[in-house]
Amino acid sequence: NAGVTQTPKFRILKIGQSMTLQCTQDMNHNYMYWYRQDPGMGLKLIYYSVGAGITDKGEVPNGYNVSRSTTEDFPLRLELAAPSQTSVYFCASSYQPLTNYGYTFGSGTRLTVV
Amino acid sequence: DQQVKQNSPSLSVQEGRISILNCDYTNSMFDYFLWYKKYPAEGPTFLISISSIKDKNEDGRFTVFLNKSAKHLSLHIVPSQPGDSAVYFCAASVRGSARQLTFGSGTQLTVLP
Repeated sequence: NAGVTQTPKFRILKIGQSMTLQCTQDMNHNYMYWYRQDPGMGLKLIYYSVGAGITDKGEVPNGYNVSRSTTEDFPLRLELAAPSQTSVYFCASSYQPLTNYGYTFGSGTRLTVV
Repeated sequence: DQQVKQNSPSLSVQEGRISILNCDYTNSMFDYFLWYKKYPAEGPTFLISISSIKDKNEDGRFTVFLNKSAKHLSLHIVPSQPGDSAVYFCAASVRGSARQLTFGSGTQLTVLP
């Protein structure tokens, strides 16, 4: 099994550009999450989804949008990139609300906005 | 307001000795706690967890201790190995529909051979 796959691994955006960070999982997990990690900081929740068609905001949703049309995919959209969105983005999934094994994370997307 | 704090950004220990990583929290509604390990250019991987109804959970070389009255948890690694060198994050969760995690800022552990 591939687990959680994130693409791209790296991206440089210019201010005002838009892009979509892709996340797909092959474990049939209901719950999916997007986190960002800034240097020296912990991970902060951007958006999450408890199933196809259901999404909700996390701690830092401004500047982002998500959709969940299938169980497998949970893309994160940046509409007008800003330097403050320079970060490493992690997607994660879980079969049910927090099993004894926590989340499964992807390997991350490193985004730089210049 | 940081609800989960890891006050030591880094820790160095000798191979074979004990590593103790600490984490404090402020939200008394947290009822589930986890530790994740992260290597460079990889996503965090789950290490060990503990429910608030317990004060200790052990898995091989890793033990997590929870002191609810002090709102403090710690991760003990015995014996430490060079492959344990990584960033360790503690995380906490409030009982709820989606179990979002609140993370600390991480501690870089370096195990010296």
